[in-house]
Amino acid sequence: GAGVSQSPRYKVAKRGQDVALRCDPISGHVSLFWYQQALGQGPEFLTYFQNEAQLDKSGLPSDRFFAERPEGSVSTLKIQRTQQEDSAVYLCASSARRGFGLHFGNGTRLTVT
Amino acid sequence: AQTVTQSQPEMSVQEAETVTLSCTYDTSESDYYLFWYKQPPSRQMILVIRQEAYKQQNATENRFSVNFQKAAKSFSLKISDSQLGDAAMYFCAYRSGIQGAQKLVFGQGTRLTINP
Repeated sequence: GAGVSQSPRYKVAKRGQDVALRCDPISGHVSLFWYQQALGQGPEFLTYFQNEAQLDKSGLPSDRFFAERPEGSVSTLKIQRTQQEDSAVYLCASSARRGFGLHFGNGTRLTVT
Repeated sequence: AQTVTQSQPEMSVQEAETVTLSCTYDTSESDYYLFWYKQPPSRQMILVIRQEAYKQQNATENRFSVNFQKAAKSFSLKISDSQLGDAAMYFCAYRSGIQGAQKLVFGQGTRLTINP
């Protein structure tokens, strides 16, 4: 596709539900990042993939958060047993080479009620 | 750990005027990269300008330029001839130059309003 695609654009979940957020990076991009952006804040790093390998998951806030990229293209961020503090915009970004030329998607806004 | 601070939550400027957004950062590293990103209501982060710490010359991209003061750990963004389309949230970001370090550390953002 022309850019990084994220779905759904909006997600409302009841507290305790599991959610899955999808990211389709630009074709051929080897690096993929997930960021969490709380309301009125800057994005915070969650995790980073190079192809299918998850090289850095230091930003995942708890073991309820899990990310995968099994074939080195599409990635899914899963949040189990959602809590209200998980409400945020989740941004995905990809790049053709390490760290530079980052292309961001439009994010998924998650609201936990 | 590195931190990025944007001390101006909001700024406004008249159309066609010049505005400067401030950013300071804290790091013990000598090799790193600094970025300014723009985030319009669509939520997509768009790269405005990038500066390599080893370069003394300030980066420029059309109407956008930076004032990079390495000793002071300051990285301000100047927007000249402001246009209505410049209205957005602006984020300053830091990336380590250490090989393998990939993540961006963002500041809190500055909301820029352009008055017609």
